[in-house]
Amino acid sequence: GAVVSQHPSWVICKSGTSVKIECRSLDFQATTMFWYRQFPKQSLMLMATSNEGSKATYEQGVEKDKFLINHASLTLSTLTVTSAHPEDSSFYICSANRGMEPQHFGDGTRLSIL
Amino acid sequence: DAKTTQPNSMESNEEEPVHLPCNHSTISGTDYIHWYRQLPSQGPEYVIHGLTSNVNNRMASLAIAEDRKSSTLILHRATLRDAAVYYCILRGIHGSSNTGKLIFGQGTTLQVKP
Repeated sequence: GAVVSQHPSWVICKSGTSVKIECRSLDFQATTMFWYRQFPKQSLMLMATSNEGSKATYEQGVEKDKFLINHASLTLSTLTVTSAHPEDSSFYICSANRGMEPQHFGDGTRLSIL
Repeated sequence: DAKTTQPNSMESNEEEPVHLPCNHSTISGTDYIHWYRQLPSQGPEYVIHGLTSNVNNRMASLAIAEDRKSSTLILHRATLRDAAVYYCILRGIHGSSNTGKLIFGQGTTLQVKP
């Protein structure tokens, strides 16, 4: 089945650091990739929708200058959390799909900002 | 986005069938009913989806009411590995304002007792 790889799986860094998370579709070309964040005991919250070669569409309330999304190819999207602070600590999850096929999710990145 | 309503939690005994309900009274004619599940500390996993007819796959069955205002995910024999949060989500087709994105609700936490 379709596989989506997310890297790193966890990261701990100091406040003020920028952190990049990669999302790759390993065995299919993804027309669209999505980024979510999830706080403990809460549901997933969609942050942005990303299409290859175009600017990401951010959900209301998500700061686009804070969460930079680059979708350089049909198999790779990156999320950069700029100048991260403790309140940005969360579980970040990406997903990818081709056309209207079901979304396939990565295993998430646990980000901890000290 | 059309919303879904699910019970917060359910319990099941191992090796017994489980029926997970979902209400979606405001579903539109172009919304597909998707089910995903999420195990602890992992990204969501696609389970099944359908439009009007009942669907079966190796993981589960999806029973859709004739008026499409509700559906039921059926796990035929629950195992301990089926303990997860199950999300029922409506997904519009490309070309609609939904753009195929998934909006997660709180889902149903399924506990499976040995």
